[in-house]
Amino acid sequence: NAGVTQTPKFRVLKTGQSMTLLCAQDMNHEYMYWYRQDPGMGLRLIHYSVGEGTTAKGEVPDGYNVSRLKKQNFLLGLESAAPSQTSVYFCASSYLGQGAGQPQHFGDGTRLSIL
Amino acid sequence: SQQGEEDPQALSIQEGENATMNCSYKTSINNLQWYRQNSGRGLVHLILIRSNEREKHSGRLRVTLDTSKKSSSLLITASRAADTASYFCATDDVFGPGTRLSVLP
Repeated sequence: NAGVTQTPKFRVLKTGQSMTLLCAQDMNHEYMYWYRQDPGMGLRLIHYSVGEGTTAKGEVPDGYNVSRLKKQNFLLGLESAAPSQTSVYFCASSYLGQGAGQPQHFGDGTRLSIL
Repeated sequence: SQQGEEDPQALSIQEGENATMNCSYKTSINNLQWYRQNSGRGLVHLILIRSNEREKHSGRLRVTLDTSKKSSSLLITASRAADTASYFCATDDVFGPGTRLSVLP
């Protein structure tokens, strides 16, 4: 039982390059989330999904796209990376939303640097 | 916009002392959750308190909730060096900026 697994763990990109971050969970959770964490800012929600085939925008969605083709996977894409997207990205999953009293389970993050 | 705001931003104490962190939020909530993040790792859920609860305990953790003041506190008793981490409160899917706790041996 791995929980939430994020790949890759580290990545360096050049401005304008594209990449996809993968999140996989083996807990049969409906909800999945992508956050970015910057110093002094806490976690900011980028996009989330409430079930297979669904996606929704969070607080800071610009410059990112997501897909949830399979229930266990949630992909975060950067089409044209910018230095402002240098951050640590966390994926999380939960059975239901936190408003329903369900805790989120987090991966260990992807550290992304855009040069 | 951030729903939760932790206070203080950083806290340094000696092993064995108690650590208290506070969280304020802006709108009405169904529940409030506290998480811990060790350096270089993801967040780990600690405890949930529902809006109709005033206090909850889990081991050395004590959480209080005052919905009239829109605030919560997390108390860690008899702190250990292993408690060194950042602590976050969360309401719905919104996390505060966190409190960095350092427990010195």
